[in-house]
Amino acid sequence: EADIYQTPRYLVIGTGKKITLECSQTMGHDKMYWYQQDPGMELHLIHYSYGVNSTEKGDLSSESTVSRIRTEHFPLTLESARPSHTSQYLCASSVGLAGPSYEQYFGPGTRLTVT
Amino acid sequence: QQQVKQSPQSLIVQKGGISIINCAYENTAFDYFPWYQQFPGKGPALLIAIRPDVSEKKEGRFTISFNKSAKQFSLHIMDSQPGDSATYFCAARQSGGYNKLIFGAGTRLAVHP
Repeated sequence: EADIYQTPRYLVIGTGKKITLECSQTMGHDKMYWYQQDPGMELHLIHYSYGVNSTEKGDLSSESTVSRIRTEHFPLTLESARPSHTSQYLCASSVGLAGPSYEQYFGPGTRLTVT
Repeated sequence: QQQVKQSPQSLIVQKGGISIINCAYENTAFDYFPWYQQFPGKGPALLIAIRPDVSEKKEGRFTISFNKSAKQFSLHIMDSQPGDSATYFCAARQSGGYNKLIFGAGTRLAVHP
Protein backbone atom coordinates (compact mmCIF):
# COMPACT_ATOMS: atom_id res chain seq x y z
CA GLU A 1 0.00 0.00 0.00
CA ALA A 2 1.47 3.29 -1.11
CA ASP A 3 1.78 6.10 1.45
CA ILE A 4 0.13 8.88 -0.48
CA TYR A 5 -2.73 10.81 1.02
CA GLN A 6 -5.32 13.16 -0.33
CA THR A 7 -7.73 15.41 1.54
CA PRO A 8 -10.56 15.98 1.44
CA ARG A 9 -11.92 12.80 -0.09
CA TYR A 10 -15.16 14.48 -1.06
CA LEU A 11 -15.92 18.18 -1.47
CA VAL A 12 -19.12 19.93 -2.48
CA ILE A 13 -18.66 23.65 -2.91
CA GLY A 14 -20.40 26.61 -4.48
CA THR A 15 -19.37 28.43 -7.62
CA GLY A 16 -16.73 31.11 -7.14
CA LYS A 17 -15.14 29.62 -4.04
CA LYS A 18 -11.41 29.12 -3.73
CA ILE A 19 -10.39 25.57 -2.95
CA THR A 20 -7.15 23.72 -2.25
CA LEU A 21 -6.84 19.99 -2.65
CA GLU A 22 -4.11 18.52 -0.50
CA CYS A 23 -1.71 15.74 -1.46
CA SER A 24 1.09 14.36 0.65
CA GLN A 25 3.43 11.42 0.27
CA THR A 26 5.81 9.93 2.78
CA MET A 27 7.97 7.95 0.36
CA GLY A 28 10.41 10.75 -0.45
CA HIS A 29 9.53 10.60 -4.14
CA ASP A 30 10.92 13.31 -6.38
CA LYS A 31 8.13 13.32 -8.95
CA MET A 32 4.50 14.11 -8.24
CA TYR A 33 1.50 14.39 -10.51
CA TRP A 34 -2.09 15.58 -10.60
CA TYR A 35 -4.60 13.85 -12.83
CA GLN A 36 -8.20 14.69 -13.58
CA GLN A 37 -10.57 11.77 -14.08
CA ASP A 38 -14.27 11.76 -14.77
CA PRO A 39 -15.83 8.68 -13.12
CA GLY A 40 -14.74 5.50 -14.89
CA MET A 41 -12.99 7.45 -17.62
CA GLU A 42 -9.35 7.89 -18.60
CA LEU A 43 -6.89 9.89 -16.56
CA HIS A 44 -5.65 13.20 -17.90
CA LEU A 45 -2.42 14.71 -16.58
CA ILE A 46 -2.98 18.33 -15.55
CA HIS A 47 0.20 19.11 -13.56
CA TYR A 48 3.46 17.48 -12.64
CA SER A 49 6.51 18.28 -10.60
CA TYR A 50 9.95 16.77 -10.82
CA GLY A 51 11.18 18.26 -7.57
CA VAL A 52 10.92 21.13 -5.14
CA ASN A 53 10.14 24.46 -6.83
CA SER A 54 9.71 22.78 -10.22
CA THR A 55 6.23 22.41 -11.69
CA GLU A 56 4.90 21.99 -15.21
CA LYS A 57 1.51 21.96 -16.84
CA GLY A 58 0.31 18.63 -18.13
CA ASP A 59 -1.38 17.57 -21.32
CA LEU A 60 -4.87 18.69 -20.33
CA SER A 61 -5.38 22.40 -19.93
CA SER A 62 -6.54 23.26 -16.43
CA GLU A 63 -7.38 26.48 -14.61
CA SER A 64 -5.86 25.06 -11.45
CA THR A 65 -2.41 25.89 -10.12
CA VAL A 66 0.06 23.86 -8.07
CA SER A 67 3.03 24.47 -5.84
CA ARG A 68 5.86 22.31 -4.57
CA ILE A 69 7.77 23.92 -1.74
CA ARG A 70 8.34 20.65 0.12
CA THR A 71 9.17 17.27 -1.35
CA GLU A 72 6.28 15.54 0.36
CA HIS A 73 3.55 18.11 -0.37
CA PHE A 74 1.92 18.99 -3.71
CA PRO A 75 -1.31 20.98 -3.26
CA LEU A 76 -3.63 21.95 -6.11
CA THR A 77 -5.59 25.20 -5.97
CA LEU A 78 -8.61 26.47 -7.86
CA GLU A 79 -8.99 30.22 -7.34
CA SER A 80 -12.63 30.31 -8.42
CA ALA A 81 -14.44 27.01 -8.69
CA ARG A 82 -16.93 26.48 -11.52
CA PRO A 83 -19.33 23.60 -12.29
CA SER A 84 -17.02 22.58 -15.17
CA HIS A 85 -14.39 21.74 -12.52
CA THR A 86 -16.57 18.95 -11.16
CA SER A 87 -14.46 15.81 -11.44
CA GLN A 88 -12.22 13.46 -9.53
CA TYR A 89 -8.69 14.64 -8.90
CA LEU A 90 -5.98 12.04 -8.38
CA CYS A 91 -2.53 12.71 -7.02
CA ALA A 92 0.39 10.38 -7.72
CA SER A 93 4.11 10.16 -7.07
CA SER A 94 7.07 8.23 -8.38
CA VAL A 95 10.76 7.86 -7.70
CA GLY A 96 13.31 9.79 -9.68
CA LEU A 97 15.35 8.33 -12.51
CA ALA A 98 17.60 6.54 -10.08
CA GLY A 99 14.74 4.39 -8.87
CA PRO A 100 14.24 0.75 -9.94
CA SER A 101 10.92 1.31 -11.66
CA TYR A 102 8.71 3.92 -13.16
CA GLU A 103 5.71 3.00 -11.05
CA GLN A 104 3.40 5.83 -10.16
CA TYR A 105 1.66 5.44 -6.81
CA PHE A 106 -1.79 6.96 -6.63
CA GLY A 107 -3.72 8.47 -3.77
CA PRO A 108 -7.42 7.67 -3.24
CA GLY A 109 -8.57 10.81 -5.02
CA THR A 110 -10.72 13.83 -4.20
CA ARG A 111 -14.17 13.90 -5.70
CA LEU A 112 -15.05 17.54 -6.28
CA THR A 113 -18.55 18.77 -7.01
CA VAL A 114 -19.10 22.44 -7.76
CA THR A 115 -22.71 23.58 -7.55
CA GLN B 1 -5.09 13.39 -29.51
CA GLN B 2 -5.38 9.88 -28.13
CA GLN B 3 -2.01 8.17 -28.28
CA VAL B 4 -3.08 4.99 -26.50
CA LYS B 5 -6.26 3.31 -27.70
CA GLN B 6 -7.86 0.72 -25.44
CA SER B 7 -10.58 -1.81 -26.16
CA PRO B 8 -13.11 -3.01 -25.30
CA GLN B 9 -14.77 -0.29 -23.25
CA SER B 10 -16.52 -2.91 -21.13
CA LEU B 11 -16.19 -6.65 -20.75
CA ILE B 12 -18.29 -9.31 -19.06
CA VAL B 13 -16.64 -12.66 -18.30
CA GLN B 14 -17.83 -15.69 -16.43
CA LYS B 15 -15.91 -16.85 -13.38
CA GLY B 16 -13.01 -19.02 -14.47
CA GLY B 17 -12.88 -17.53 -17.95
CA ILE B 18 -10.14 -15.53 -19.63
CA SER B 19 -10.39 -11.73 -19.77
CA ILE B 20 -8.51 -10.05 -22.61
CA ILE B 21 -8.01 -6.30 -22.92
CA ASN B 22 -6.16 -4.76 -25.82
CA CYS B 23 -4.22 -1.55 -26.29
CA ALA B 24 -2.52 0.04 -29.28
CA TYR B 25 -0.13 2.95 -29.27
CA GLU B 26 1.09 5.37 -31.89
CA ASN B 27 4.22 6.94 -30.45
CA THR B 28 7.37 4.89 -30.83
CA ALA B 29 9.06 6.96 -28.11
CA PHE B 30 7.22 5.03 -25.40
CA ASP B 31 9.52 2.87 -23.29
CA TYR B 32 7.41 1.31 -20.54
CA PHE B 33 3.89 -0.11 -20.61
CA PRO B 34 2.05 -0.57 -17.30
CA TRP B 35 -1.43 -1.79 -16.57
CA TYR B 36 -3.34 -0.25 -13.68
CA GLN B 37 -6.33 -1.66 -11.83
CA GLN B 38 -8.86 0.67 -10.25
CA PHE B 39 -11.68 -0.24 -7.89
CA PRO B 40 -14.57 2.17 -7.31
CA GLY B 41 -13.64 4.95 -4.93
CA LYS B 42 -9.94 4.10 -5.07
CA GLY B 43 -6.97 5.38 -6.96
CA PRO B 44 -5.42 3.19 -9.67
CA ALA B 45 -2.82 0.65 -8.54
CA LEU B 46 -0.09 -0.88 -10.67
CA LEU B 47 -0.96 -4.43 -11.68
CA ILE B 48 1.81 -5.46 -14.04
CA ALA B 49 4.18 -3.71 -16.46
CA ILE B 50 6.43 -4.55 -19.37
CA ARG B 51 9.30 -2.97 -21.27
CA PRO B 52 9.39 -3.09 -25.10
CA ASP B 53 12.36 -5.46 -25.25
CA VAL B 54 10.23 -8.26 -23.79
CA SER B 55 7.38 -9.99 -25.64
CA GLU B 56 5.57 -11.44 -22.64
CA LYS B 57 5.48 -11.04 -18.89
CA LYS B 58 3.51 -13.18 -16.50
CA GLU B 59 2.70 -12.57 -12.85
CA GLY B 60 0.33 -15.09 -11.36
CA ARG B 61 -2.92 -15.03 -13.30
CA PHE B 62 -1.99 -11.83 -15.16
CA THR B 63 -0.01 -11.80 -18.41
CA ILE B 64 1.03 -8.97 -20.68
CA SER B 65 1.67 -9.80 -24.33
CA PHE B 66 3.64 -7.18 -26.25
CA ASN B 67 3.99 -6.87 -30.02
CA LYS B 68 6.47 -4.13 -30.78
CA SER B 69 6.16 -4.25 -34.56
CA ALA B 70 2.38 -3.93 -34.40
CA LYS B 71 2.59 -1.39 -31.56
CA GLN B 72 0.07 -3.37 -29.56
CA PHE B 73 -0.04 -4.90 -26.10
CA SER B 74 -2.68 -6.80 -24.23
CA LEU B 75 -3.60 -7.95 -20.74
CA HIS B 76 -4.80 -11.49 -20.19
CA ILE B 77 -6.44 -12.44 -16.89
CA MET B 78 -6.59 -16.20 -16.55
CA ASP B 79 -9.16 -17.91 -14.32
CA SER B 80 -11.00 -14.61 -13.85
CA GLN B 81 -12.59 -14.13 -10.44
CA PRO B 82 -15.39 -11.84 -9.21
CA GLY B 83 -12.74 -9.99 -7.20
CA ASP B 84 -11.09 -9.00 -10.48
CA SER B 85 -14.12 -6.86 -11.32
CA ALA B 86 -12.65 -3.38 -11.70
CA THR B 87 -11.64 -0.86 -14.32
CA TYR B 88 -8.34 -1.59 -16.05
CA PHE B 89 -6.18 1.06 -17.68
CA CYS B 90 -3.27 0.48 -19.98
CA ALA B 91 -0.66 3.19 -20.15
CA ALA B 92 2.53 4.09 -21.94
CA ARG B 93 5.45 6.07 -20.59
CA GLN B 94 7.04 8.76 -22.69
CA SER B 95 10.80 8.30 -22.74
CA GLY B 96 12.63 11.16 -21.11
CA GLY B 97 13.09 12.38 -17.59
CA TYR B 98 9.60 13.20 -16.39
CA ASN B 99 8.05 9.72 -16.19
CA LYS B 100 4.87 10.92 -17.89
CA LEU B 101 2.24 8.29 -18.51
CA ILE B 102 -0.38 8.40 -21.25
CA PHE B 103 -3.43 6.40 -20.24
CA GLY B 104 -5.94 4.49 -22.31
CA ALA B 105 -9.64 5.14 -21.85
CA GLY B 106 -10.14 2.17 -19.52
CA THR B 107 -12.01 -1.13 -19.63
CA ARG B 108 -14.69 -1.90 -17.10
CA LEU B 109 -14.48 -5.61 -16.34
CA ALA B 110 -17.29 -7.51 -14.66
CA VAL B 111 -16.70 -11.13 -13.70
CA HIS B 112 -19.92 -12.94 -13.01
CA PRO B 113 -20.00 -15.88 -10.58
